[in-house]
Amino acid sequence: GNSVTQMEGPVTLSEEAFLTINCTYTATGYPSLFWYVQYPEEGLQLLLKATKADDKGSNKGFEATYRKETTSFHLEKGSVQVSDSAVYFCALRGSQGNLIFGKGTKLSVKP
Amino acid sequence: NAGVTQTPKFRVLKTGQSMTLLCAQDMNHEYMYWYRQDPGMGLRLIHYSVGEGTTAKGEVPDGYNVSRLKKQNFLLGLESAAPSQTSVYFCASSYASARGVTEAFFGQGTRLTVV
Repeated sequence: GNSVTQMEGPVTLSEEAFLTINCTYTATGYPSLFWYVQYPEEGLQLLLKATKADDKGSNKGFEATYRKETTSFHLEKGSVQVSDSAVYFCALRGSQGNLIFGKGTKLSVKP
Repeated sequence: NAGVTQTPKFRVLKTGQSMTLLCAQDMNHEYMYWYRQDPGMGLRLIHYSVGEGTTAKGEVPDGYNVSRLKKQNFLLGLESAAPSQTSVYFCASSYASARGVTEAFFGQGTRLTVV
């Protein structure tokens, strides 16, 4: 079945460091892929998405490229800020329109 | 621009009690979902609905029931709460576009504790 695997956290970085959060997926076909972010005590917000192979999603300095060869959708940001501290979820679109999530990666950015 | 609204935001139940969580969306979305979030488990789908009057089981449906009598509302019921149902519950909605089902829009969550 469809599944998402993302790197376990927590991840702790200093401000302005480079961020990579790895995400790989198993799926039939080429489902849409998503990154969601959850700030403390809040719901999930869409960060970026890609709907087909080789698409690059980007938002707020974050980027992720849909790589069908490696079945990956790694999240990157060149220079993180304290305000980026949150939990990040990788997800893919299931056959019923639902999202299938990874377990989440907690990011803490220190000043 | 309310989006997806969940009520209540917090609740403490005693084992065996029942309750209903309400989700309301004002975006005219066809699809609605209930997830639960547990530490180290990510979000898991409980039940979902692809339209008014329809519901279906997700990954972890046991102990829950749902109803979608109106397009804008999706209710999640716990008939006899158990401590294992202590969790944060999220409702989400999405719609179908020419390119398929869109991303999901989430509510703020309901934190439920069963003692």
